[in-house]
Amino acid sequence: DAKTTQPPSMDCAEGRAANLPCNHSTISGNEYVYWYRQIHSQGPQYIIHGLKNNETNEMASLIITEDRKSSTLILPHATLRDTAVYYCIVRVPDNAGNMLTFGGGTRLMVKP
Amino acid sequence: DAGITQSPRHKVTETGTPVTLRCHQTENHRYMYWYRQDPGHGLRLIHYSYGVKDTDKGEVSDGYSVSRSKTEDFLLTLESATSSQTSVYFCAISGSAGGRNEQFFGPGTRLTVL
Repeated sequence: DAKTTQPPSMDCAEGRAANLPCNHSTISGNEYVYWYRQIHSQGPQYIIHGLKNNETNEMASLIITEDRKSSTLILPHATLRDTAVYYCIVRVPDNAGNMLTFGGGTRLMVKP
Repeated sequence: DAGITQSPRHKVTETGTPVTLRCHQTENHRYMYWYRQDPGHGLRLIHYSYGVKDTDKGEVSDGYSVSRSKTEDFLLTLESATSSQTSVYFCAISGSAGGRNEQFFGPGTRLTVL
């Protein structure tokens, strides 16, 4: 699975959009971009994933650059409950074992 | 939220004792996983299962064994616990090898080995 690079921490004001970047310059053609988050002391939570088109669901939007070497997770109106560590993962969905490899992630602090 | 429970949620044990952690799901998902999470290491896969009685090793399987006798339960056993196995253990489930393939995680078990 390709390696990802994320900033270790970010701050965001409550109610504003949080834009979390992820670099994955070695991504291969059949690898998807997945985002998970982990709120303190809880299990990781799936947010969204995509291959090359932008995606949106009830939690967030995922913007993937045309060359697929980077992506941005957007929380449109961040709340205090969005304070968490956000993980960007690239992988093939049908990879044997389906394991997830979590890197350091980005610690997002939403401030009032 | 996906129906995943882990038991116990907290456990303190002594070095050399056997420990079994249980993961129970009500989603009838095929795939189940055990991860451990330690500061500075993120989540690391211990073992996983792709069906009843079908299991395989993950990245950090030494010192651990697993069993899956029915779809809903995946047990993780530390045959002889060591202090290096002090960690938070997460179970996860997944419905398919392809498609969305998102994993749903349980609440975790905090294990302390003295």
